[in-house]
Amino acid sequence: EADIYQTPRYLVIGTGKKITLECSQTMGHDKMYWYQQDPGMELHLIHYSYGVNSTEKGDLSSESTVSRIRTEHFPLTLESARPSHTSQYLCASRARDNSPLHFGNGTRLTVT
Amino acid sequence: GDSVTQMEGPVTLSEEAFLTINCTYTATGYPSLFWYVQYPGEGLQLLLKATKADDKGSNKGFEATYRKETTSFHLEKGSVQVSDSAVYFCALSRANRDDKIIFGKGTRLHILP
Repeated sequence: EADIYQTPRYLVIGTGKKITLECSQTMGHDKMYWYQQDPGMELHLIHYSYGVNSTEKGDLSSESTVSRIRTEHFPLTLESARPSHTSQYLCASRARDNSPLHFGNGTRLTVT
Repeated sequence: GDSVTQMEGPVTLSEEAFLTINCTYTATGYPSLFWYVQYPGEGLQLLLKATKADDKGSNKGFEATYRKETTSFHLEKGSVQVSDSAVYFCALSRANRDDKIIFGKGTRLHILP
């Protein structure tokens, strides 16, 4: 049973719309991450957070933004969706350095 | 910089065959090493881990040994099942301020009945 929840699971939306992908965890983890997974399976880190009010950009440049107002919540926002944003987005968290990541089931986004 | 290299897939095997998925890494210091599995339509799940040299991680019949001398963490299973069909990711983690997890590109495994 997942302790980290992502909604929606699937989203089809038109170009130019603003969207927010939700991610919540019930484990009290300080560290949270957003990954973009391309069709070739490779994972790309786009944002991460060490705790409340901490956000950092990842290795892959992304037009999305994130916020961390509460420990359990780490939403990702696209102000204006484009077809190039079509991908699977995975949220993850972990308790501390070197502990394993816990992943949500992902949001599959399609921008038409 | 740190990196993880794993064998490219897809790997196709018959049920009950022996499985090896190779993983080698480059890292400074002493990282922790992980194998994650991703079943269709799901996120990644931790399969096993090892935190220091010569540690062996094991779970669900899968094993991997942290070999510092060869900088490797190969995944093995003696007899695969159809239900093992998934994508497998090797990863390393470093305990420092730059708290990033480095993933390999993933290996897709198909098991034929």
